[in-house]
Amino acid sequence: DAKTTQPNSMESNEEEPVHLPCNHSTISGTDYIHWYRQLPSQGPEYVIHGLTSNVNNRMASLAIAEDRKSSTLILHRATLRDAAVYYCIQSRGVGGTSYGKLTFGQGTILTVHP
Amino acid sequence: DGGITQSPKYLFRKEGQNVTLSCEQNLNHDAMYWYRQDPGQGLRLIYYSQIVNDFQKGDIAEGYSVSREKKESFPLTVTSAQKNPTAFYLCATFKERDRGGYTFGSGTRLTVV
Repeated sequence: DAKTTQPNSMESNEEEPVHLPCNHSTISGTDYIHWYRQLPSQGPEYVIHGLTSNVNNRMASLAIAEDRKSSTLILHRATLRDAAVYYCIQSRGVGGTSYGKLTFGQGTILTVHP
Repeated sequence: DGGITQSPKYLFRKEGQNVTLSCEQNLNHDAMYWYRQDPGQGLRLIYYSQIVNDFQKGDIAEGYSVSREKKESFPLTVTSAQKNPTAFYLCATFKERDRGGYTFGSGTRLTVV
């Protein structure tokens, strides 16, 4: 699985939007982009995933560039509970599905200030 | 509520001993995974299983073994051949039709003493 590139850390203020970038320049047509986040001493939590179109759910939005070589996870209003390590993962789909083992990099440490 | 149960939460092992980490799920998910996480690092895949009685090596399988005799269970044995077993171990499941993605357990922290 190809590696993605993320900033080591980012900071935000509470109730402000946060844009977490991710580069995946080697992405191919069947590769999905997944985002997970992890609190200390806990398992990662699924945030969102997408293939080509922008995606929205109750937690966040995922904006995928037209050439799919980069994407941005958007937290619309950061809260203190959003402080975590955020992982952007490129995963090759299997059989037209998003099925594929995930390879986690070091992620982005998000700090949220009150 | 459905979920993944990993036990024990903390485990101490003497050098040269084998230990088995438990992972049980009641989500009816087909695929199960074992990851290892070292301090300040991302997760690395040890083994995964897509169906009962079948499993594949991940990126760092040496020194580990697994079994998948039941859909609900995917235990991981850390053998004495694993030279640096101290780490945080995470079990995960996945079901394609589940739009929630992968589900992770709360982890087992293994320390060699």
